[in-house]
Amino acid sequence: AQSVTQLGSHVSVSEGALVLLRCNYSSSVPPYLFWYVQYPNQGLQLLLKYTTGATLVKGINGFEAEFKKSETSFHLTKPSAHMSDAAEYFCAATREYGNKLVFGAGTILRVKS
Amino acid sequence: KAGVTQTPRYLIKTRGQQVTLSCSPISGHRSVSWYQQTPGQGLQFLFEYFSETQRNKGNFPGRFSGRQFSNSRSEMNVSTLELGDSALYLCASSLGDRGNYEQYFGPGTRLTVT
Repeated sequence: AQSVTQLGSHVSVSEGALVLLRCNYSSSVPPYLFWYVQYPNQGLQLLLKYTTGATLVKGINGFEAEFKKSETSFHLTKPSAHMSDAAEYFCAATREYGNKLVFGAGTILRVKS
Repeated sequence: KAGVTQTPRYLIKTRGQQVTLSCSPISGHRSVSWYQQTPGQGLQFLFEYFSETQRNKGNFPGRFSGRQFSNSRSEMNVSTLELGDSALYLCASSLGDRGNYEQYFGPGTRLTVT
């Protein structure tokens, strides 16, 4: 069965520092991969997605992620953290057909001033 | 274009009661999926509907059911509520049923069972 693992339930960075949130997937066939962000008391907002093609994917708010098949990873990065980036981030995967998203457990990002 | 809307936003129910939650997808979207979010279990897939047909179902008891109407609006129903059903219920809409389509989430319905 497909699974998604996020390493680190909490990550703390200083404002202006690099953000790195880790995601690994477990699937015999590379799935489609997504990163979502959730602010308190809100739904999920799509940051970026990887389906096919270029393995470095750019998303909104300066985030990007790189799909590495050899490492079964899809880590999320942002060069310089902003206070407004503080939120919970979810990595998710789905297959070619169907919209069933399998989510990781989430990583809460804290940004220190 | 209006986003995904969910009603009601907050709900308090008593054990044993039943509840119906509603989701209106983005105009033109034909797929609606439902998820349950709890602190202990995280985000879990409930079911997916496409063109009024249930395409996929998660590992939830039969007390959880859903349907989709011809205008793509969807409802989910939980009967005989248990304390453990307290959660944020999220719906997501998508243009189609291919996994590479983006899914857009609504703000959720916060259900509290007492």
